[in-house]
Amino acid sequence: QSALTQPASVSGSPGQSITMSCTGTSSDVGGYNYVSWYQQHPGKAPKLIISAVSDRPSGVSNRFSASKSGNTASLTISGLQTEDEADYYCLSYTSSGTLIFGGGTKLTVL
Amino acid sequence: QVQLQESGPGLVKPSETLSLSCTVSGGSISTYYWSWIRQPPGKGVEWIGYIYSSGSTNYNPSLKSRVTISVDTSKNRFSLKLSSVAASDTAVYYCARHTRSGWGGLGVWGQGTLVTVSS
Repeated sequence: QSALTQPASVSGSPGQSITMSCTGTSSDVGGYNYVSWYQQHPGKAPKLIISAVSDRPSGVSNRFSASKSGNTASLTISGLQTEDEADYYCLSYTSSGTLIFGGGTKLTVL
Repeated sequence: QVQLQESGPGLVKPSETLSLSCTVSGGSISTYYWSWIRQPPGKGVEWIGYIYSSGSTNYNPSLKSRVTISVDTSKNRFSLKLSSVAASDTAVYYCARHTRSGWGGLGVWGQGTLVTVSS
């Protein structure tokens, strides 16, 4: 199985909004409402910020939101803050009953 | 709240078997799915496989021939074995608990443990 496709990098200024994508196929992203998103700061474990396409776990800022259209899922961060600078990964369930990550997107807050 | 802790050798020789355990504290291993994930230095994350508390498993097709994940409910822990390792298996290995729904995401992670494959 090939990794889901994410842009290598995105950037934005404090206070702005950014959106990053996660593209798969009808056998993973497009076939199930089981896409999740993770934030990873250097040297730390990934942290779940969005589950099941658009659900925000308790304690996660409401500046994080997500959606899905067809085979592409999207994560939006509004009101960018310097602490949002991190790597972001998407993860999807697949038709084989396995899981697959995206290649990751590095967010730079300018 | 539930916490996960990986443990095992930090150095493994090429061609040998990597063995790690993940101990669950603050909650029961029962009725959840549990995954292993790895991240080579400077690279992205890769899902290795998962196990349900009953023992059913599923693995990443690219690693399937070398991976075994098992669970010991009496000790509230699950384990990873990766055989015939090479330098490319050098990575930080994480264990994680799935959300209650199973496929909603990986809600709780261990801190990770670095395993280096070198002679």
